[in-house]
Amino acid sequence: GNSVTQMEGPVTLSEEAFLTINCTYTATGYPSLFWYVQYPGEGLQLLLKATKADDKGSNKGFEATYRKETTSFHLEKGSVQVSDSAVYFCALSRSNFGNEKLTFGTGTRLTIIP
Amino acid sequence: EPEVTQTPSHQVTQMGQEVILRCVPISNHLYFYWYRQILGQKVEFLVSFYNNEISEKSEIFDDQFSVERPDGSNFTLKIRSTKLEDSAMYFCASRTGSTDTQYFGPGTRLTVL
Repeated sequence: GNSVTQMEGPVTLSEEAFLTINCTYTATGYPSLFWYVQYPGEGLQLLLKATKADDKGSNKGFEATYRKETTSFHLEKGSVQVSDSAVYFCALSRSNFGNEKLTFGTGTRLTIIP
Repeated sequence: EPEVTQTPSHQVTQMGQEVILRCVPISNHLYFYWYRQILGQKVEFLVSFYNNEISEKSEIFDDQFSVERPDGSNFTLKIRSTKLEDSAMYFCASRTGSTDTQYFGPGTRLTVL
């Protein structure tokens, strides 16, 4: 079946550091890939997405590139801020069509210290 | 900006009691979902709903669970006889028919004592 494997956390970085959170997936066909973020006490918010190979999703300084050859969708940010502290979830849906569920990774808790 | 809302934000119940979790999806959305997140674990799919019927359900979604869209705005998840292991955060999500992006509500934290 489909699955998502995410970098174990927690991750603690200093402000302005470079961030990478690794995500790899297993799926048949051509899934869409997502990063969701969960700030303390809040629900899941879509951060970015990519729907086909070599697409790059970006938002709020975060980027992730859909790499079919390595089945990866790693999240990166060049300079993190304290406000980026949250839990980050990588997820996939099997296709753009139909009533497709999301399959999530375990989440990575990120803490940014000033 | 339209958003998915959920009530209550926190529900405490005794084991064996029935609970109903409520969601109001975004108004022009057609597909509806429930997910849950046990503390410290991954977000898990429970059920998807389209055109007034269940499209897919997971192994977790057994006979104790049911969903309903009783009117044009609400989408509910009912647990008939709660168990301790049902304690979790329950998220509702919805999406339009033209995109695969699901929009999530803030969640209901269910605590079963």
